[in-house]
Amino acid sequence: ETGVTQSPTHLIKTRGQQVTLRCSSQSGHNTVSWYQQALGQGPQFIFQYYREEENGRGNFPPRFSGLQFPNYSSELNVNALELDDSALYLCASSLAGGGSSYEQYFGPGTRLTVT
Amino acid sequence: GENVEQHPSTLSVQEGDSAVIKCTYSDSASNYFPWYKQELGKRPQLIIDIRSNVGEKKDQRIAVTLNKTAKHFSLHITETQPEDSAVYFCAAFYFGNEKLTFGTGTRLTIIP
Repeated sequence: ETGVTQSPTHLIKTRGQQVTLRCSSQSGHNTVSWYQQALGQGPQFIFQYYREEENGRGNFPPRFSGLQFPNYSSELNVNALELDDSALYLCASSLAGGGSSYEQYFGPGTRLTVT
Repeated sequence: GENVEQHPSTLSVQEGDSAVIKCTYSDSASNYFPWYKQELGKRPQLIIDIRSNVGEKKDQRIAVTLNKTAKHFSLHITETQPEDSAVYFCAAFYFGNEKLTFGTGTRLTIIP
């Protein structure tokens, strides 16, 4: 198992609400990437945080936002939830130097259900 | 942007036989190719990876090969065991893009 943790494990929200998901990176890692995995599909990149700044973003709307804290943990915030936001949200931590990160280790994920 | 195609989508193999999963990528700038194994309800687990300056890498029963010219890479599992049953994802990455682009996954079933 990796040292990456996520909370909560499961979450049920209503359409239009807001949600915050949390991720603690593996010891020694300084970069956190967030992915959305819909049922039966591969993970889709949302964004990455390095040195507390967004360092790359996938094809997700601005209502998906994030933060990284000085201890390298991270939050994913989703506003105005839609039914299609129902998915497994994974964070992955890695060690980057000069903005380049290779091996990414995933947390157990947060299963979000929007009703 | 990068696009990764993965085949087959499902694969059934007799225990002890070999399994091969193939992926192609579109962006010649990609320089890192990991493989993840995901069991039902669990996190994707990095099982092996390869960088673009290497053609092949082995780790016990698992090997990955990379053909940069053809832009494809493959996962080979030999002497398969029941615990190899899972969904396997390939991915591609390049410095400056900062994101892993995943394939659509292969559900591997090992038949005892």
